Amino acid sequence: GAGVSQSPRYKVAKRGQDVALRCDPISGHVSLFWYQQALGQGPEFLTYFQNEAQLDKSGLPSDRFFAERPEGSVSTLKIQRTQQEDSAVYLCASSLSQGFKETQYFGPGTRLLVL
Amino acid sequence: QKEVEQDPGPLSVPEGAIVSLNCTYSNSAFQYFMWYRQYSRKGPELLMYTYSSGNKEDGRFTAQVDKSSKYISLFIRDSQPSDSATYLCATGNNRLAFGKGNQVVVIP
Repeated sequence: GAGVSQSPRYKVAKRGQDVALRCDPISGHVSLFWYQQALGQGPEFLTYFQNEAQLDKSGLPSDRFFAERPEGSVSTLKIQRTQQEDSAVYLCASSLSQGFKETQYFGPGTRLLVL
Repeated sequence: QKEVEQDPGPLSVPEGAIVSLNCTYSNSAFQYFMWYRQYSRKGPELLMYTYSSGNKEDGRFTAQVDKSSKYISLFIRDSQPSDSATYLCATGNNRLAFGKGNQVVVIP
């Protein structure tokens, strides 16, 4: 079946520009996660949804970062007034339910470069 | 202190060698430990998981957890060139904490 898909795969933005990154989770998956992966680093947690409810946004680095999942399926991560330090791969993952035994399935990521 | 520490050094081994990777973690409440494999320009994929302490074997892969020392290990036997990837340890509940990853290259 189809896995997690993300678009765009690559995004180049000028500093100060707003960007929107899309995640389509696996159909029927209740939980959705966003992670940020800097070059040479492991993924860092950003935020987590259960259905349309954003249950944890403690990893968002600043108020320029905003995520939503209005209908409990597709999610968008928005970054306002992008800065060079925002350059990273943004990974989306989904899982069937919540809980530590639920496998998180990752998408291929969106590679963001801020110039 | 980071929740998961993984020495990020790259590792090159000849085909057929044993690869040994390890991590430490800080939160003794963690019960579920994972190894993810990430190929270049792809997302991480779950390779193995272990619940609580002990060993788990899956083909050429063995995962070990020692909760007394907060130590996680992954062993790859008879390594193949197709095993060349970055290996990430992870733990947590919903929000996963990852190590920095080890880039493994298996040379034919």
